[in-house]
Amino acid sequence: RKEVEQDPGPFNVPEGATVAFNCTYSNSASQSFFWYRQDCRKEPKLLMSVYSSGNEDGRFTAQLNRASQYISLLIRDSKLSDSATYLCVASQRSNDYKLSFGAGTTVTVRA
Amino acid sequence: DTGVSQNPRHKITKRGQNVTFRCDPISEHNRLYWYRQTLGQGPEFLTYFQNEAQLEKSRLLSDRFSAERPKGSFSTLEIQRTEQGDSAMYLCASAKVQGGRETQYFGPGTRLLVL
Repeated sequence: RKEVEQDPGPFNVPEGATVAFNCTYSNSASQSFFWYRQDCRKEPKLLMSVYSSGNEDGRFTAQLNRASQYISLLIRDSKLSDSATYLCVASQRSNDYKLSFGAGTTVTVRA
Repeated sequence: DTGVSQNPRHKITKRGQNVTFRCDPISEHNRLYWYRQTLGQGPEFLTYFQNEAQLEKSRLLSDRFSAERPKGSFSTLEIQRTEQGDSAMYLCASAKVQGGRETQYFGPGTRLLVL
């Protein structure tokens, strides 16, 4: 079983819509979580860090549920430029901060 | 540009050849990571350095792979006797631990194709 699992999608949504998707992690010792955005054939870019119950940055909201071991990402008022693959990442201080990536969730925002 | 840089950006080689990739991290970051990413998958950890010390190598890293960070600044990843299964994107990330937390920033990657 992979340490981080994501629904691969794709999620196809119209511009302006709200889209949300989850990620589950298997290691209960995971302390830090991240959402990275990756465009086709580009490097992952940090979207958001999640250390406590959640984080909000503009149109993006991440929620962490430690009891159920999942993290969600919600995108409000989707823009065409939000089309990308979103990578969910977990790390543990005890594992010296090495990142465990999910395979990514693909989001396509259409006009 | 003060971000992470990687060279070359693309490399095409024939099976059996050796290749070397370079990563220049963000200057004040003392930790440097190498990952490999194949199509449809997230990046997989290969190895990492704290300053010049290589602290861990993944079991994914066969004996044909070697990485160095001689002066705690740039790093190189060498693959000897390349195989077609080595074709992937090789990503480098740098980081600094602050307040018990660490955030990794990725370079643009080197895309390797082994024919």
